[in-house]
Amino acid sequence: KQEVTQIPAALSVPEGENLVLNCSFTDSAIYNLQWFRQDPGKGLTSLLLIQSSQREQTSGRLNASLDKSSGRSTLYIAASQPGDSATYLCAVANQAGTALIFGKGTTLSVSS
Amino acid sequence: GAVVSQHPSWVICKSGTSVKIECRSLDFQATTMFWYRQFPKQSLMLMATSNEGSKATYEQGVEKDKFLINHASLTLSTLTVTSAHPEDSSFYICSARDRAVAGGLEQFFGPGTRLTVL
Repeated sequence: KQEVTQIPAALSVPEGENLVLNCSFTDSAIYNLQWFRQDPGKGLTSLLLIQSSQREQTSGRLNASLDKSSGRSTLYIAASQPGDSATYLCAVANQAGTALIFGKGTTLSVSS
Repeated sequence: GAVVSQHPSWVICKSGTSVKIECRSLDFQATTMFWYRQFPKQSLMLMATSNEGSKATYEQGVEKDKFLINHASLTLSTLTVTSAHPEDSSFYICSARDRAVAGGLEQFFGPGTRLTVL
């Protein structure tokens, strides 16, 4: 059974710092991996999607990498800002069109 | 494009009543919709997979007679929480796959519905 783990559970950094969020999954036979952002009491905002054949995806200050063989993904946030404060969720799809399996998230707090 | 809406965004009800939550794909057709539940400080857990025109598939431990799912059209799925109890209080989120996108590259999530049962 696929399990997704995110470390750390919480992270506090000063504004401007570069940071890395980690995600690991137990079954490397995934179809794709997505990173989401969730603000308190709100829904999900998709940040990046990485297909199983890809190694990384970039969007603005965000860069996500995928090492399928080791069951790991990282989300790199450059030059963090207070507006980046949120919970970041990692999720994998085992097969095309199937539901996502989520980690518990990393709650990020960026102080000004 | 690829917008999914949920209604209501929040609901408070008395124990024993039933609550219906709607999930709509606004600008695409979705043959498959997923219903998730998120308890405080926890991750999203899949409750059921809803396929248009057929019965929903429920995850282990989710009571199908308590959480009724109807996917009558390509743009609408509903989740009815029957005889709700305080332990059903949670954040319910749906997602939808775009029928036109082969392989389901991405799921589009609704904004969620906060259910509080008194």
